[in-house]
Amino acid sequence: IVMTQSPDSLAVSLGERATINCKSSRSVFYGSNNKNYLAWYQQKPGQPPKLLIYWASTRESGVPDRFSGSGSGTDFTLTISSLQAEDVAIYYCQQYYSTPPYTFGQGTRLEIK
Amino acid sequence: EVQLVESGGAVVQPGASLRISCAASGFSFEDYTMHWVRQVPGKGLEWVSLINWDGEDTYYADSVKGRFTVSRDNSRNFVYLQMSSLRAEDTAFYYCAKDRGYTSSWCFFDSWGQGTLVTVSS
Repeated sequence: IVMTQSPDSLAVSLGERATINCKSSRSVFYGSNNKNYLAWYQQKPGQPPKLLIYWASTRESGVPDRFSGSGSGTDFTLTISSLQAEDVAIYYCQQYYSTPPYTFGQGTRLEIK
Repeated sequence: EVQLVESGGAVVQPGASLRISCAASGFSFEDYTMHWVRQVPGKGLEWVSLINWDGEDTYYADSVKGRFTVSRDNSRNFVYLQMSSLRAEDTAFYYCAKDRGYTSSWCFFDSWGQGTLVTVSS
């Protein structure tokens, strides 16, 4: 499964909304359990990735509620409702549907405008 | 607190072998699938391998299949990646990552180490 994110980079003003899209080459939705096998990670410079969202819309413990995930099937969105300076990072989506390999999107670089 | 600490990264020549390690603490290691994910400096993430809780199931990315072997020692809380026939394109930071699923593989990653750099160059 190929994961494609858009845009590759994004500049948003502080306090404004940031939206990152992720599209999978085939559906990552399992009808048997009604779940989308899609996660989002944040990677800041010099750090490993950090899990933000899993099952497409479940926020990881400790992640601020300005981060939200949505979408189903092949089209997904990560939204930051009010951008903070500490949100500058690269964001990756990842599918974990079925058997390996578990593929990532190419990443979206988020900066302050 | 979950801690994952990778070690063993080095500069090696093409065709060489290298074993990298990941020391885990802060969780019941024997109950979790573990993964290796790599990242070429300045580039994106690539899943490399997984090993399930008891070591009986392993999977590899096509790019490393037949050259890399993952293993674990649940008595010492270590996971290893034995790399052979290394190529320039294997140059990357290698991260050890913990699976979120308890006694099952959910295959997304809720804890990551800081990574160890493997450089393949003549």
